[in-house]
Amino acid sequence: AQSVTQLGSHVSVSEGALVLLRCNYSSSVPPYLFWYVQYPNQGLQLLLKYTTGATLVKGINGFEAEFKKSETSFHLTKPSAHMSDAAEYFCAVSDNLRGANNLFFGTGTRLTVIP
Amino acid sequence: DTGVSQDPRHKITKRGQNVTFRCDPISEHNRLYWYRQTLGQGPEFLTYFQNEAQLEKSRLLSDRFSAERPKGSFSTLEIQRTEQGDSAMYLCASALTSQSEKLFFGSGTQLSVL
Repeated sequence: AQSVTQLGSHVSVSEGALVLLRCNYSSSVPPYLFWYVQYPNQGLQLLLKYTTGATLVKGINGFEAEFKKSETSFHLTKPSAHMSDAAEYFCAVSDNLRGANNLFFGTGTRLTVIP
Repeated sequence: DTGVSQDPRHKITKRGQNVTFRCDPISEHNRLYWYRQTLGQGPEFLTYFQNEAQLEKSRLLSDRFSAERPKGSFSTLEIQRTEQGDSAMYLCASALTSQSEKLFFGSGTQLSVL
């Protein structure tokens, strides 16, 4: 079975500061890992994903995440926060790419950006 | 607007009533998923369709829940004899089979059962 744990339900950063949102996964098989973002009054959208290959993956809006097998982590980072990054971020794990029926989401982290 | 649309955005009902939600996916997407999200939790998978075929429904929460996608386009999720515990956000998402992990979500239907 797969699961993810997101540390910190709320994270606040100043505009221009580093964004770090933490995600640890549990999986009995090599995982596929995802970050989704939900902007206010919008549906979730895929930010980035790790399937195989390069462990550092880049996504939209300057975000990136690094898959670290030894730490079972897939933390999301952005060097400099922008006001428009304020949103809720969900980490998710799957054991395959055949369908999202095996996609398990974390509880989410709400990012607030302080001007 | 070519995104996933859900209707209604909000639904308030009394316990014991039936409710139905509609989802219109992105037109070329043949996969359609239903999720439920409760406060403080991430989306929880309920069921999904490949075109008009419902490929998994074992994780529907009870036999009061049912979903259809009769012509492989829009889908409906029905909850019969609603209970207060059914109060949640119900999310629909669609995807291409070839990129089935890349979901496009609607904004959801917020259900409140009084």
